[in-house]
Amino acid sequence: QSALTQPASVSGSPGQSVTISCTGTSSDVGGYNYVSWYQQNPGKAPKLMIYDVSQRPSGVSNRFSGSKSVNTASLTISGLQAEDEADYYCCSYASSSTVIFGGGTKLTVL
Amino acid sequence: EVQMLESGGGLVQPGGSLRLSCAASGFTFSSYGMSWVRQAPGKGLEWVSAINVNGGVTYYADSVKGRFTISRDNSKNTLYLQMNSLRAEDTALYYCAKVLLPSRVLPGFFDYWGQGTLVTVSS
Repeated sequence: QSALTQPASVSGSPGQSVTISCTGTSSDVGGYNYVSWYQQNPGKAPKLMIYDVSQRPSGVSNRFSGSKSVNTASLTISGLQAEDEADYYCCSYASSSTVIFGGGTKLTVL
Repeated sequence: EVQMLESGGGLVQPGGSLRLSCAASGFTFSSYGMSWVRQAPGKGLEWVSAINVNGGVTYYADSVKGRFTISRDNSKNTLYLQMNSLRAEDTALYYCAKVLLPSRVLPGFFDYWGQGTLVTVSS
């Protein structure tokens, strides 16, 4: 299966909101409410930010929110802060009991 | 504090084998599914394999099916990945990851990750 499609990069100024999209198919994103999002800083392990499309794990800021429409999931970061600059990956359960990641999006805080 | 420490990576020739280990602590290892995720240098994340709490159910990405075997020893709080018939495209940092929810091995919600062990496949 091919990776989910994410924009290579997005950017925003402090205080603004940015949205990262993640497009799949009816066999993954569109077929299940099992989308998650990970934040990865350089040289570090990924951190779970969103699961089950829109649920935040304990300790994750409520500035991070997730949604899904048909075959596209989205991660929105509101009140952008410098510390949000990182790579973001979406992830979805897929048919045949597999898991597929997106190609990743580099978020730059201007 | 949840900790996971991977080991076993290194340089191996194409066609060779390696066994990765992941020693876990700080949580009830036997109550959670576990997974391996890899990241090629400068590239994105790729899910590799997952295993349920008792090791009786395993899942694999198509790219490694038939070559890699995931297993676990709950008495040692350790996760393993046996990698055979290695290829250049298997070169990556291999992370072990803990599943978020005890009852759900998949769909791939990983709340704790190790720091990874690097596997390089080259002649």
